[in-house]
Amino acid sequence: AQSVSQHNHHVILSEAASLELGCNYSYGGTVNLFWYVQYPGQHLQLLLKYFSGDPLVKGIKGFEAEFIKSKFSFNLRKPSVQWSDTAEYFCAVNPTDSWGKLQFGAGTQVVVTP
Amino acid sequence: SQTIHQWPATLVQPVGSPLSLECTVEGTSNPNLYWYRQAAGRGLQLLFYSVGIGQISSEVPQNLSASRPQDRQFILSSKKLLLSDSGFYLCAWSAEGSPLHFGNGTRLTVT
Repeated sequence: AQSVSQHNHHVILSEAASLELGCNYSYGGTVNLFWYVQYPGQHLQLLLKYFSGDPLVKGIKGFEAEFIKSKFSFNLRKPSVQWSDTAEYFCAVNPTDSWGKLQFGAGTQVVVTP
Repeated sequence: SQTIHQWPATLVQPVGSPLSLECTVEGTSNPNLYWYRQAAGRGLQLLFYSVGIGQISSEVPQNLSASRPQDRQFILSSKKLLLSDSGFYLCAWSAEGSPLHFGNGTRLTVT
């Protein structure tokens, strides 16, 4: 069975700092990859996704993620964070042969201080 | 546009009581439907998914069951709640090949 590992459980940084959240997965087959975000008091929202093609994908609110197949990684980045980026971020992996059965990482709580 | 409704938002139930959480989707036909449980520090765990009316697959053994009586309705149930059933339950839907869209969740506390 596949697993998803998020490297940091809690990250605190200042506004304008750069953010990178690590995500590694273990699965031998083809996967689709996602980052979801949960802002305080809100429901889970899709931030970005990778299905195929260019391994560097851009999502909403200035976020991007890079799929490195050889490293089984899908790290999330943002060059300059804002206070409004305070949220919990979840990496998720979906094998292409079992659509919808996402495996989620444990999540990373990001706190951006003014 | 498609919307997903999940209720109630919060629920406090005594041990041994029954449970029924409901989820409905609007604006789409024949969606895939899912129940997830979110635990702090552990991400989301898939409990059940359904690809059609009456078709339910269980991912983990547990005290819960799911049913899909209508195309866009997904119900999570239990006959007798346990303390360990406390948690945050999320319903989600997807079209084939598309990302999941989540409801607002239900915070269940079993006392």
